[in-house]
Amino acid sequence: QQPVQSPQAVILREGEDAVINCSSSKALYSVHWYRQKHGEAPVFLMILLKGGEQKGHEKISASFNEKKQQSSLYLTASQLSYSGTYFCGTGGVGNQFYFGTGTSLTVIP
Amino acid sequence: GAVVSQHPSRVICKSGTSVKIECRSLDFQATTMFWYRQFPKKSLMLMATSNEGSKATYEQGVEKDKFLINHASLTLSTLTVTSAHPEDSSFYICSATKPDSGSDTQYFGPGTRLTVL
Repeated sequence: QQPVQSPQAVILREGEDAVINCSSSKALYSVHWYRQKHGEAPVFLMILLKGGEQKGHEKISASFNEKKQQSSLYLTASQLSYSGTYFCGTGGVGNQFYFGTGTSLTVIP
Repeated sequence: GAVVSQHPSRVICKSGTSVKIECRSLDFQATTMFWYRQFPKKSLMLMATSNEGSKATYEQGVEKDKFLINHASLTLSTLTVTSAHPEDSSFYICSATKPDSGSDTQYFGPGTRLTVL
């Protein structure tokens, strides 16, 4: 039931762009994106509730393709503060909520 | 706002003892709380979904007799790790959703790092 993310890890230089993908084998009702710093709890980035919905938060945006059961997170002009592990989270039937496998993002100067 | 606290933040215990972790929603009432555990460099794995006033729903493979969950009020859920063993050492995180918010956004506690010696 756990969504699969790709890539597993990525290293960027400051200012470069990245895309993180999240795929589910189950029907998706919502997709969340979180960022977690080492030793800390995840921090909410955004939620997408409708198929085809796209949202943006500063230079981080996301899309949700309900039919393909996929979501993508776009990070543009990356900053050092973007480093961390990114998780998608998916809501399904009932109250269950599952995190994706995670993508480690490292931004270097 | 939506603030969730956890206590303790860090606990070290001897093998065979029980440990209770509290999760509180400080400024809202949470009808549903979730408990996760996370191993180093791994994703968060849902352990159980806790609904106020009813029995928790455990994920497959999670021993309900070992991980006791109580959601006695709309602001408090507790996870008790009974007869803890070293393999139970992990980072335990709770989250809560706000009812009537129109979404299932998760608000996370800061986590509890459990080390079993």
